[in-house]
Amino acid sequence: AQSVTQLGSHVSVSEGALVLLRCNYSSSVPPYLFWYVQYPNQGLQLLLKYTTGATLVKGINGFEAEFKKSETSFHLTKPSAHMSDAAEYFCAVFDSSASKIIFGSGTRLSIRP
Amino acid sequence: SAVISQKPSRDICQRGTSLTIQCQVDSQVTMMFWYRQQPGQSLTLIATANQGSEATYESGFVIDKFPISRPNLTFSTLTVSNMSPEDSSIYLCSGGGLSNTQYFGPGTRLTVL
Repeated sequence: AQSVTQLGSHVSVSEGALVLLRCNYSSSVPPYLFWYVQYPNQGLQLLLKYTTGATLVKGINGFEAEFKKSETSFHLTKPSAHMSDAAEYFCAVFDSSASKIIFGSGTRLSIRP
Repeated sequence: SAVISQKPSRDICQRGTSLTIQCQVDSQVTMMFWYRQQPGQSLTLIATANQGSEATYESGFVIDKFPISRPNLTFSTLTVSNMSPEDSSIYLCSGGGLSNTQYFGPGTRLTVL
C-alpha cells in the first residue's frame, strides 16, 4: 500500500525567503502525487499534481514540486515566500489498489515579517 | 476541475441528535469521498460514496453511525448519527474523476454539546 511522510509539522520562514516543504512517499507502482493547501477555516485547494511526464510540476501561487523517483520524494518549493502563503500544506498519493487518496500529516507554514 | 459546495457550513448540535451534511458537485464525477478532520490534524477518510449502492467504509467507521447516500453522480449526503462531543470535527467531501485528482468542498464545522 502507498503511504506519505511529511517531514516537519511546522516550518517557519521569513517573508521573501525560500519555502521548502518535504514529502516522501512509498509506492510499488508509479505514483500519482499531489500537494494541497488549506487556509484557515477553509477546505483543501489543489496546488499541483504529478501524474506522468515532466518531473518538475508547476502549480498555482508560484509553487512547484519535483518528482524524484530515486529519492521517492516530491518536495514543494517556492522561491520567495509571501505572507499570504501561511497555511497548512498536505502532500498526498493516490493509492491505486484501494482507489483512494492517502494524505500526509500536514505541514503548517508560518511566514515571519 | 470541479466546484464542490457543502451545506451547512457549520452547526452546533445537542448530543444524541443527528445531522445530515449535503455535498453538491457542479459536474458529474466518478468518485466522491467523505473525510473527517479534527482540529490541527490531517484528513481521515470515512468512506467512499458509491453511486447507486452502499458506501465503502474505512476501518473504524460504520454505516449505522455515518450513513451515506449518493443517489446520482453529482450529489451525496453524510449523516452523523446519535452525536456525542467526540464527533465535533470538520467534515469534508471531495469529488473527482478517474484521473484521481480530488477537489474538496469548504467543509462543515460541527460542534456537539
